[in-house]
Amino acid sequence: SAVISQKPSRDICQRGTSLTIQCQVDSQVTMMFWYRQQPGQSLTLIATANQGSEATYESGFVIDKFPISRPNLTFSTLTVSNMSPEDSSIYLCSVGGGHYGYTFGSGTRLTVV
Amino acid sequence: GESVGLHLPTLSVQEGDNSIINCAYSNSASDYFIWYKQESGKGPQFIIDIRSNMDKRQGQRVTVLLNKTVKHLSLQIAATQPGDSAVYFCAETYYNQGGKLIFGQGTELSVKP
Repeated sequence: SAVISQKPSRDICQRGTSLTIQCQVDSQVTMMFWYRQQPGQSLTLIATANQGSEATYESGFVIDKFPISRPNLTFSTLTVSNMSPEDSSIYLCSVGGGHYGYTFGSGTRLTVV
Repeated sequence: GESVGLHLPTLSVQEGDNSIINCAYSNSASDYFIWYKQESGKGPQFIIDIRSNMDKRQGQRVTVLLNKTVKHLSLQIAATQPGDSAVYFCAETYYNQGGKLIFGQGTELSVKP
């Protein structure tokens, strides 16, 4: 299965600022996924990141708040924009299916103060 | 669908006992299911999977049971150890979802020595 490196592992940010999270995969994968895990809750899909096209966002998530880049088949970034304390969560990237497995990065624990 | 609720259900077991963690999934069209283990500060770790054409699958100390009639999954852990303490999530997907997963609520397993 694929190995995913995600950074930063954690950050504390001021409200109103933005944070960009990076995700690097050791294999070329068609689709990458970004999830949010709010405190004490399960994982919710934010968007699907396809190389060469705009990301596809799930209901309740918008590009202005969570812009995503996918410049090549091994890398993606998620930006959390204009942060508020409600954005404090763990953000996770993953790849899915086939011989890559349904693998997750170690997550970015974001605290907004 | 998005997971609901602010607190994860907790299962407390004695070391050496067997644990059973249950999950109700949402989509009758789902044909692939995964159990994940998430330790504090880490991303979800793949434990075991099962396809909808199976009722049972066994791994090392773990067994997954699938009941499609009532859309129910269970994870059985034999001889539970303190290292099994974590949050366990089930996830579902189906053909042509391209790797998107829908996660269940999660259960926190606490193993008492």
